[in-house]
Amino acid sequence: DQQVKQNSPSLSVQEGRISILNCDYTNSMFDYFLWYKKYPAEGPTFLISISSIKDKNEDGRFTVFLNKSAKHLSLHIVPSQPGDSAVYFCAASVTGANSKLTFGKGITLSVRP
Amino acid sequence: GAVVSQHPSWVICKSGTSVKIECRSLDFQATTMFWYRQFPKKSLMLMATSNEGSKATYEQGVEKDKFLINHASLTLSTLTVTSAHPEDSSFYICSARRKGQPQHFGDGTRLSIL
Repeated sequence: DQQVKQNSPSLSVQEGRISILNCDYTNSMFDYFLWYKKYPAEGPTFLISISSIKDKNEDGRFTVFLNKSAKHLSLHIVPSQPGDSAVYFCAASVTGANSKLTFGKGITLSVRP
Repeated sequence: GAVVSQHPSWVICKSGTSVKIECRSLDFQATTMFWYRQFPKKSLMLMATSNEGSKATYEQGVEKDKFLINHASLTLSTLTVTSAHPEDSSFYICSARRKGQPQHFGDGTRLSIL
């Protein structure tokens, strides 16, 4: 039972354009969401997060949008750079549940020069 | 920034061997450490949650006698895969967090059982 879904396995965008990575969840108890970035042979690196009390959080080129009614969040990267090419994992947790994270399968982003 | 070190990064061993993987938080004291397993083209699956000085909490379906977790200090947790068999071959990854902060991950351990 996949509670966090990243239905698109891959995405390819041109350098300078916007990358939009989508994530859906089924557990309405989730109230904290994170995006992690992973390069080959390395562990995931925390990128950005959002609490369910917000619908948008921005950090430089990265913006995460949360639509609670649709149980959907997205990560926008603009402008995209070749160094952004990596696997991006969406994760969700329930505050107070010892911060256990439930991960999606990941999306492989390729940014073409 | 926070760094989590995981060792070894790659292990190949014979069936029946027990393998220990270490996870260290290098520049912070971790209130909680987590152990995950990842199968090819699958998401990270939480195996257990470990708080310093207490027994680990295992997720449903994870054999606690098979995957022994020790969290002896605020900077070190170990996962021991006991009597490993080929089906235990996988990518194991740990993470550590301090209160109010997101989890920071190690670089993972690729375990191959022959």
